[in-house]
Amino acid sequence: QKEVEQNSGPLSVPEGAIASLNCTYSDRVSQSFFWYRQYSGKSPELIMSIYSNGDKEDGRFTAQLNKASQYVSLLIRDSQPSDSATYLCAVIGTDKLIFGTGTRLQVFP
Amino acid sequence: DTEVTQTPKHLVMGMTNKKSLKCEQHMGHRAMYWYKQKAKKPPELMFVYSYEKLSINESVPSRFSPECPNSSLLNLHLHALQPEDSALYLCASSPDSVFGEQYFGPGTRLTVT
Repeated sequence: QKEVEQNSGPLSVPEGAIASLNCTYSDRVSQSFFWYRQYSGKSPELIMSIYSNGDKEDGRFTAQLNKASQYVSLLIRDSQPSDSATYLCAVIGTDKLIFGTGTRLQVFP
Repeated sequence: DTEVTQTPKHLVMGMTNKKSLKCEQHMGHRAMYWYKQKAKKPPELMFVYSYEKLSINESVPSRFSPECPNSSLLNLHLHALQPEDSALYLCASSPDSVFGEQYFGPGTRLTVT
């Protein structure tokens, strides 16, 4: 079983819609969760971190964490073509950051 | 300011060459990392330095040699690389430890010929 799982996509949404990206993890003791955005050919950029159950909002982004279900998600409201990128879910494991394989998001005009 | 800088941006080297990658951060972060990323794959951890000491080596071949001269600088020395080592090499830093938010530099695109 992979430690951090994401649907590889692509997830295609129209401009202005809500994009919903999901991630599950296997280590029940994980406490720190992150979402990175990576444009093609560029490095990962940290966009959200979440440590407690519930929702955390930052601008158009909302991260949601459910530790009981071992599930973390990222909602992007009012999606823009500039949001088209690969979104990496990352979880702190025993001694390192573990990445999912990423979900490619395509926002079409 | 969450800037991590890396030089060079691109590097082409032969299998017999010796080269070095450099990473610098001035955020006062105490943990620094080297990752390797192949196309369409997530970053893969190579080394972790915590408070200038090597704390994690993910069984990386000895042709990759990390160095942390001070708390702001991280180097990756390369020698006798193979074509399959061609990848994007990413440096990252975090404030206190491996359990904090990690900020990535722009990366060095390495091609081994």
